[in-house]
Amino acid sequence: AQSVTQPDIHITVSEGASLELRCNYSYGATPYLFWYVQSPGQGLQLLLKYFSGDTLVQGIKGFEAEFKRSQSSFNLRKPSVHWSDAAEYFCAVGAGLTGGGNKLTFGTGTQLKVEL
Amino acid sequence: DTGVSQDPRHKITKRGQNVTFRCDPISEHNRLYWYRQTLGQGPEFLTYFQNEAQLEKSRLLSDRFSAERPKGSFSTLEIQRTEQGDSAMYLCASSSREGVSTEAFFGQGTRLTVV
Repeated sequence: AQSVTQPDIHITVSEGASLELRCNYSYGATPYLFWYVQSPGQGLQLLLKYFSGDTLVQGIKGFEAEFKRSQSSFNLRKPSVHWSDAAEYFCAVGAGLTGGGNKLTFGTGTQLKVEL
Repeated sequence: DTGVSQDPRHKITKRGQNVTFRCDPISEHNRLYWYRQTLGQGPEFLTYFQNEAQLEKSRLLSDRFSAERPKGSFSTLEIQRTEQGDSAMYLCASSSREGVSTEAFFGQGTRLTVV
């Protein structure tokens, strides 16, 4: 069964500083990997996804992530954080379902706080 | 189309009562998912529909839970005889039929509080 580990529960960075959120996954085959962001009381918004090809993927809001198969990692990065980036971030791995759907297994999330 | 819509956004119920939530997916999406998210955790998969067929159910979906998607459009999730442990955010998501490598779009969720 697939699993996702996000080792950092809380991270605090200063506005304008760089950010890296860690994600490690366990999955037997080639994984489908996702990063979602969730603001308080809201649903999830997709930041970026990796299915195949280039291991460095670009997403929305200036985020990027790098897939490293040898380390089973898919870390999320942003070169300069904005105060509006404060939210909870979830890494997820997808597995195919009957009929072609995609079942997501999420990590426990990393809460990002941005200091002004 | 404004995305995945869930109703109600909040529900407070007494233990033992039945509750029903509704999800309206993005109109052209034939795949629909339900997830449950408890405080401090990531969402956990509950069940999945392709059109009107319920193709997979998690072990988390006890006998008190039932989900339907009668016409392959909106879906309902019913919890019978609610327990305090059912308190959570219930998230619905949908995706299109274009292969497995498509993203799921999430609604804003229904927050259930059982008192």
